[in-house]
Amino acid sequence: EPEVTQTPSHQVTQMGQEVILRCVPISNHLYFYWYRQILGQKVEFLVSFYNNEISEKSEIFDDQFSVERPDGSNFTLKIRSTKLEDSAMYFCASSDSLQPQHFGDGTRLSIL
Amino acid sequence: QKEVEQNSGPLSVPEGAIASLNCTYSDRGSQSFFWYRQYSGKSPELIMFIYSNGDKEDGRFTAQLNKASQYVSLLIRDSQPSDSATYLCAVPRGAGNNRKLIWGLGTSLAVNP
Repeated sequence: EPEVTQTPSHQVTQMGQEVILRCVPISNHLYFYWYRQILGQKVEFLVSFYNNEISEKSEIFDDQFSVERPDGSNFTLKIRSTKLEDSAMYFCASSDSLQPQHFGDGTRLSIL
Repeated sequence: QKEVEQNSGPLSVPEGAIASLNCTYSDRGSQSFFWYRQYSGKSPELIMFIYSNGDKEDGRFTAQLNKASQYVSLLIRDSQPSDSATYLCAVPRGAGNNRKLIWGLGTSLAVNP
């Protein structure tokens, strides 16, 4: 069964540094998402992406965040200057039309 | 009022029993509902989804919708220790096909051998 893959599985970064989280969505999916989950809290929507542009973004997704689909397969989330409160699990998801979203295994981001 | 609410639990049931998990939602216009399972430190895994037109059964799992009271239930029959996890309810929000999921906090289920 096709899967969403995310790399790296764990990223440790100093505060203020830039990080790029990578995702390869399921190949025939058209809709892409990033969510995050702070330890012990609920999953939160960050951004959705379709047809090479952002469809919707949450209040969390401020100017420090950006997304890109640099080629036909990768979908990246960049945090320009990380803060301690950015420490969380980041999940990439993809879907096809009205079908449910399928999630990658996530990247655990630890900011020191 | 929170958009999607769940009792955080933990819900503890003996092996072989029926586990019943509930989720309430605030938007009366919601048309679809998703149940995900999340093991500790792992990503959400889709278990079931239902639309507003009716309940759904898949193996040991049944999802039921009560539109009047605005809640959805997930029943797990013949519960197994491997079912021990957090169960997340998610409701799509937005227009068109590109819709974000709004999540509950999840209910922790413990199935005791």
